[in-house]
Amino acid sequence: DAKTTQPPSMDCAEGRAANLPCNHSTISGNEYVYWYRQIHSQGPQYIIHGLKNNETNEMASLIITEDRKSSTLILPHATLRDTAVYYCIVRVAGIQGAQKLVFGQGTRLTINP
Amino acid sequence: ETGVTQSPTHLIKTRGQQVTLRCSSQSGHNTVSWYQQALGQGPQFIFQYYREEENGRGNFPPRFSGLQFPNYSSELNVNALELDDSALYLCATKLVRDTGELFFGEGSRLTVL
Repeated sequence: DAKTTQPPSMDCAEGRAANLPCNHSTISGNEYVYWYRQIHSQGPQYIIHGLKNNETNEMASLIITEDRKSSTLILPHATLRDTAVYYCIVRVAGIQGAQKLVFGQGTRLTINP
Repeated sequence: ETGVTQSPTHLIKTRGQQVTLRCSSQSGHNTVSWYQQALGQGPQFIFQYYREEENGRGNFPPRFSGLQFPNYSSELNVNALELDDSALYLCATKLVRDTGELFFGEGSRLTVL
């Protein structure tokens, strides 16, 4: 079972910031928080990951609470192409060969014109 | 572009038949995993291969099997197809240097009639 809880759907206006929450209250100390998204009929796309510090890259920002029990993915200026299902996943990184991602239902984000 | 290519993109089989799905990636991607994604669900981990050996498996029966080859390609084989095997099958690879990112292909959509 997935160790994360996300709202099933969200809407956001084009050009505004999209804030996607995720709860992971049972996260272990060595587990990272990952975000992937899946645009309709395509393979999942990596967005960002972090352990306990906030992270930012060209796609998004990841804010992790101090107790690490929840996080928020921020798309600063959402476009119509950001419409997708967003998955929050916790995973132990760095183990040789370990690739198992446990996907939940994700959040279906719709960006409206 | 993730550098991960899957074939075929679509195929139709009948119950009881066997199917082979293929995945190829660029050099430097030393591990491969396979996922099954039923309609409306998140991807489910099938198994992973590292250095041509299976080293992790999800809750899938033995009729799901795989191979990894030295040229960074991989196969997923499913015997005795059942109607519930209809799904999108995704291949994911990881770099030798673990950046935390999995690179997914676009998937092979299998329909079992």
